[in-house]
Amino acid sequence: QVQLVESGGGVVQPGKSLRLSCGASGFTFSSYGMHWVRQAPGKGLEWLGVISYDGSKKIFADSVKGRFNVSRDNSKNTVILQMDSLRAEDTAMYYCVKDQTWNWGQGTLVVVSP
Amino acid sequence: DVVMTQSPLSLPVTLGQPASISCRSSESLVSSDGSTYLNWFQQRPGQSPRRLIYKISNRDSGVPERFSGSGSGTDFTLKISRVEAEDVGVYYCMQGSQWPLTFGGGTKVEIK
Repeated sequence: QVQLVESGGGVVQPGKSLRLSCGASGFTFSSYGMHWVRQAPGKGLEWLGVISYDGSKKIFADSVKGRFNVSRDNSKNTVILQMDSLRAEDTAMYYCVKDQTWNWGQGTLVVVSP
Repeated sequence: DVVMTQSPLSLPVTLGQPASISCRSSESLVSSDGSTYLNWFQQRPGQSPRRLIYKISNRDSGVPERFSGSGSGTDFTLKISRVEAEDVGVYYCMQGSQWPLTFGGGTKVEIK
């Protein structure tokens, strides 16, 4: 069965960077695009971006364009969300999501606070 | 960006009674390939979201038959024929027809 496990969350100061990782198993990772979605505490879902199956194409939401980047390592079944210049409003649970079937991980919490 | 508007915000329902959630998009969700990429997600308290419905009306594997989706163009509906206790949670629509992907604000289903 599809399993997605996010890691790397924590407390970080405004302006700093954080790198989230998502390990995948249970499917042919190199055949699927991967999304990142976040959810601020008590709020709704916000799509952040997607990386194509081979890493050649990336699309981002305006809210994170230029600050966040996504990469993947198909040899390690891992997708990375690199977050730079973090702001208080980036505080949220971050989920990685498999494309097409929209399977979700359990999320990793990022808190941006002085 | 396509704006997805859900109503109501909150939906108290009696067990065994039907429930209906509306989702409207600011633009037609008919894609260039002719498909309409409108999904519905359920998020139970304390859990990650899971997809229930894709392309308007197709139930995902394991989703009970009491969940159904309908609609076209800009107007979509998720119906629960008879609400059960396990259906409590927040429901989101999401459009996948245009970049960036966008979610509705969510509808909280609770038991009266």
